[in-house]
Amino acid sequence: EDQVTQSPEALRLQEGESSSLNCSYTVSGLRGLFWYRQDPGKGPEFLFTLYSAGEEKEKERLKATLTKKESFLHITAPKPEDSATYLCAVLSGSARQLTFGSGTQLTVLP
Amino acid sequence: DGGITQSPKYLFRKEGQNVTLSCEQNLNHDAMYWYRQDPGQGLRLIYYSQIVNDFQKGDIAEGYSVSREKKESFPLTVTSAQKNPTAFYLCASNPSSESGYTFGSGTRLTVV
Repeated sequence: EDQVTQSPEALRLQEGESSSLNCSYTVSGLRGLFWYRQDPGKGPEFLFTLYSAGEEKEKERLKATLTKKESFLHITAPKPEDSATYLCAVLSGSARQLTFGSGTQLTVLP
Repeated sequence: DGGITQSPKYLFRKEGQNVTLSCEQNLNHDAMYWYRQDPGQGLRLIYYSQIVNDFQKGDIAEGYSVSREKKESFPLTVTSAQKNPTAFYLCASNPSSESGYTFGSGTRLTVV
C-alpha cells in the first residue's frame, strides 16, 4: 500500500525566512509526485509534477525537488501570501488515482 | 474558462436524509474523482470514474453513491447510511492517469 507522509504538520515562518517542507513516500514504482497549494475553504491548486529522482522545478519563490524516497518544497524568502496548506501526492504502479499526504500548514508572519 | 464547478458551496443535511453534491467539468477530461477532506487528514478517495457509465469504489465508498451518465458530470450522493458525513468534499478531474488533477472549489456538508 502506498504511503505518503508530510512534515512538519504545521510551520510558522517570519517573512523572508526560507525553509523546506518534506514529503516522504513509500510506493511500488513511482510514476509521478505532485505538489498542490490549498487555501482555506478552497480546492487544491496544482503547483508541480516531478517524475524522476534528481528532477527540480521552480515557480516564483517555490522550488520542488525529488529523490528516490522523498520530495522537498523549498520556499525562499516567503511572503504572507504564501500562507496555505501544501499537499503532496503520488501516483504509483498500476494505480489510477493519486494518494495524498495530510499536508503541511504554512503560516508566514509579516 | 475551463474548469470544474461544484455546487452548492455549503450544504446542510438532516439526519436520515440523502443529499446530492453536483460536479460539472468543461475540460473534456475522461477521469473524475470524489475526495473527502477532514481536518488534519489528507484527502481520502470516495469514488472515481475513468469513463462514462463506469466507476469504481475508492477507499471510503460506504454510504456514498455516484453516477456517470455524461462525460461532464459526476454527482455524488451522500446517503443516510453514511454515519459521519460532515466534511469538505472535493471533486477533481484529469485527462489521463499520468496527469495531475484539476480540483473544484469544494462543497462543505454539515449534518444538523
